[in-house]
Amino acid sequence: EADIYQTPRYLVIGTGKKITLECSQTMGHDKMYWYQQDPGMELHLIHYSYGVNSTEKGDLSSESTVSRIRTEHFPLTLESARPSHTSQYLCASSDGDRGLSPLHFGNGTRLTVT
Amino acid sequence: KNQVEQSPQSLIILEGKNCTLQCNYTVSPFSNLRWYKQDTGRGPVSLTIMTFSENTKSNGRYTATLDADTKQSSLHITASQLSDSASYICVVSDRGSTLGRLYFGRGTQLTVWP
Repeated sequence: EADIYQTPRYLVIGTGKKITLECSQTMGHDKMYWYQQDPGMELHLIHYSYGVNSTEKGDLSSESTVSRIRTEHFPLTLESARPSHTSQYLCASSDGDRGLSPLHFGNGTRLTVT
Repeated sequence: KNQVEQSPQSLIILEGKNCTLQCNYTVSPFSNLRWYKQDTGRGPVSLTIMTFSENTKSNGRYTATLDADTKQSSLHITASQLSDSASYICVVSDRGSTLGRLYFGRGTQLTVWP
């Protein structure tokens, strides 16, 4: 059972709207990540954080931004949604080195921009 | 170029049958390889991790193998159940550290029919 929670599960929104995808974890993990997943494609890292006030861009260029003010909370914001942002967004956390510790994923937010 | 290739892309088997999923990688240097299971509408969940020195590891009905010389891994599922229907994702790490990068395969979509 996941101890990392994402809301909303589904979001349909019009072009130009500002949105925030929420992600919270109760495991006390320092490291948190946002991945983008499209059908039949590999996961792409778009943002990560190694602790409070630490955020970095991932491998995939994204127009989104993130913040890490509290250990348990790692929201992702899109200032102006576009149809190209339509995708599934997965939040994850880990308690150790990214290479050796498993990622604990939330159940995702499926975003559709019309 | 570091890559992870999975085959087959999709697979349908009857309940009770066995199956084997393949993962080939070109990631270097190699640290470890992890298999995740992703149920529809859920985030991926770690099944097992294989490090350089490990050849075989079992987790219930799941058995993973690793041949570091040929850079191949397999995931064997024994006596399949309907609940095994999911996408199985192979993830390779190039370093066992926070700075390590994860390379994701596109997954094998397994469907188990009654």
